[in-house]
Amino acid sequence: GESVGLHLPTLSVQEGDNSIINCAYSNSASDYFIWYKQESGKGPQFIIDIRSNMDKRQGQRVTVLLNKTVKHLSLQIAATQPGDSAVYFCAERGSGGSNYKLTFGKGTLLTVNP
Amino acid sequence: DAGITQSPRHKVTETGTPVTLRCHQTENHRYMYWYRQDPGHGLRLIHYSYGVKDTDKGEVSDGYSVSRSKTEDFLLTLESATSSQTSVYFCAISERGAGGFQPQHFGDGTRLSIL
Repeated sequence: GESVGLHLPTLSVQEGDNSIINCAYSNSASDYFIWYKQESGKGPQFIIDIRSNMDKRQGQRVTVLLNKTVKHLSLQIAATQPGDSAVYFCAERGSGGSNYKLTFGKGTLLTVNP
Repeated sequence: DAGITQSPRHKVTETGTPVTLRCHQTENHRYMYWYRQDPGHGLRLIHYSYGVKDTDKGEVSDGYSVSRSKTEDFLLTLESATSSQTSVYFCAISERGAGGFQPQHFGDGTRLSIL
């Protein structure tokens, strides 16, 4: 099973490589998705978000891809750096104008080797 | 970084004692949330607030209560702490803009140990 800091899915990459972190979401009615980064001893930090009317969104060194057909979300990090080492997790929001609650995935531990 | 301060950052207490955690924000955001984070479970919502004196339960609310008497402060209380409430607690805030709900931003957490 997955857990924060223990038994998480892990991804180990070399510095400078591109990283791809995947997330399967559960609710086909979700209309908003977020990626967070969490470093040890800190709170989750917002990276990038995407709404369900989009397939792709780019930020600085990061790209999020959304495949609604298979309910899959991915985060691509270009030229991964040691400072990118952290736990990454996705979150989804169910549809509905008054629904502001998020459901979080359990995370992937990214380790960047120098 | 979003202006969110959680206090205390660390606390050790005994079973049966009351505990109050504080979240203070300087962003004037309407929505505030309390989560707990445990191995094997990720972030789980305890309670949330959608305005002053307006609160509601999340998925793991048993044993917890909250209060929000002013926009900037959201308090989480464990009336009688149990060992199962040992966890890391995070506060988050968000707002709703013209484009819909904005991302939640988190504080740096309170590590609570109940012996």
